[in-house]
Amino acid sequence: AQKITQTQPGMFVQEKEAVTLDCTYDTSDPSYGLFWYKQPSSGEMIFLIYQGSYDQQNATEGRYSLNFQKARKSANLVISASQLGDSAMYFCAMSRGRSNYQLIWGAGTKLIIKP
Amino acid sequence: GAVVSQHPSRVICKSGTSVKIECRSLDFQATTMFWYRQFPKQSLMLMATSNEGSKATYEQGVEKDKFLINHASLTLSTLTVTSAHPEDSSFYICSARERGRAFVDETQYFGPGTRLLVL
Repeated sequence: AQKITQTQPGMFVQEKEAVTLDCTYDTSDPSYGLFWYKQPSSGEMIFLIYQGSYDQQNATEGRYSLNFQKARKSANLVISASQLGDSAMYFCAMSRGRSNYQLIWGAGTKLIIKP
Repeated sequence: GAVVSQHPSRVICKSGTSVKIECRSLDFQATTMFWYRQFPKQSLMLMATSNEGSKATYEQGVEKDKFLINHASLTLSTLTVTSAHPEDSSFYICSARERGRAFVDETQYFGPGTRLLVL
């Protein structure tokens, strides 16, 4: 069965430090996608970054990068130079496969950036 | 690009009434839209998958007669909570998948969500 695991329910990080949010996944499908979304207290889900299972390089989007380790089935999100506005819930998600566009969601990690 | 709007953002209604929530993709065509429900401090719970021009596919445990979904066009899907009761109070959020994207890139773009309170 496909599954996403986020083991960190909450994290406190000092402003300007780098942050790594953990995500491990389980799937038997050779083709899948991995996503990270940010949800501020206002509620909207903001797409951050995407990694395809066949992508050779780790995805990067500005201060966000995805540390994709396929053999270990991990897809950790790295935020460089954290800012106060990064405080939010972060969700890792995985696509279910070719014929089904649904996403499987992790439980989320609440990140709080301290000034 | 890839903006999804959702209306209303907040709604308070009396028990027994019906509430309609609209989800629109503003700058792209969405062949597939998703409806989620989220309880406080929890992850998203998929309610149903909606494909343009066809019936929605509901997740197990979701009452299709209570949560009516209509995906009439490539830019609009609606969720109607019929005969709402206090236990239906929740945060409802939609997402849309852009038509024509490669199957391996299944990025969903989310609306801002609707907070429903049933008194």
